[in-house]
Amino acid sequence: GDSVTQMEGPVTLSEEAFLTINCTYTATGYPSLFWYVQYPGEGLQLLLKATKADDKGSNKGFEATYRKETTSFHLEKGSVQVSDSAVYFCALKISGTYKYIFGTGTRLKVLA
Amino acid sequence: EAQVTQNPRYLITVTGKKLTVTCSQNMNHEYMSWYRQDPGLGLRQIYYSMNVEVTDKGDVPEGYKVSRKEKRNFPLILESPSPNQTSLYFCASSSGLAGGLIVHEQFFGPGTRLTVL
Repeated sequence: GDSVTQMEGPVTLSEEAFLTINCTYTATGYPSLFWYVQYPGEGLQLLLKATKADDKGSNKGFEATYRKETTSFHLEKGSVQVSDSAVYFCALKISGTYKYIFGTGTRLKVLA
Repeated sequence: EAQVTQNPRYLITVTGKKLTVTCSQNMNHEYMSWYRQDPGLGLRQIYYSMNVEVTDKGDVPEGYKVSRKEKRNFPLILESPSPNQTSLYFCASSSGLAGGLIVHEQFFGPGTRLTVL
């Protein structure tokens, strides 16, 4: 069945370091892909999305490109800040349905 | 302010005692959904609703019921809660997904932490 696999955390980085959080998926058809972020004690917020192959989603310095050939949607940021510390979830919407699949989440901790 | 609200935010109950977690959104969204979040498992979809009186099962519907009598409300009902339903629950809503071609972000509520003893 459809699934999302993302790298286990926690990921600990120093401020201004480069961030990559890997996400790969298994799905039939053409799913839409998302990254959500969850700050402590809060619900999830959409960070970025991509709806078709080669689309690049971007927001707040974060980027991810929908790679159909490698079934990946890796999250990147060139220079992280302490305020980026949170849990990041990769997710997909199954093509032709209203069902969503989320990854297990990756906790990011950025040290000053 | 556009928001999704959930009540209660925290609940401790005992096995078998029926409970309802309410969810309400003020954005006139057609789509609403319930998730549970468990350590190491991420978020898993319980039920979703495409519009009033239209609901369907997600990946983990067992032990849960939902109803969608009004567009703004989507309560989650646990008829006979069990300890394995101890979890953090999130409600989310989204605008129209007509034809599945237009994808809109989901707006999440703040979560309800449920403990079943």
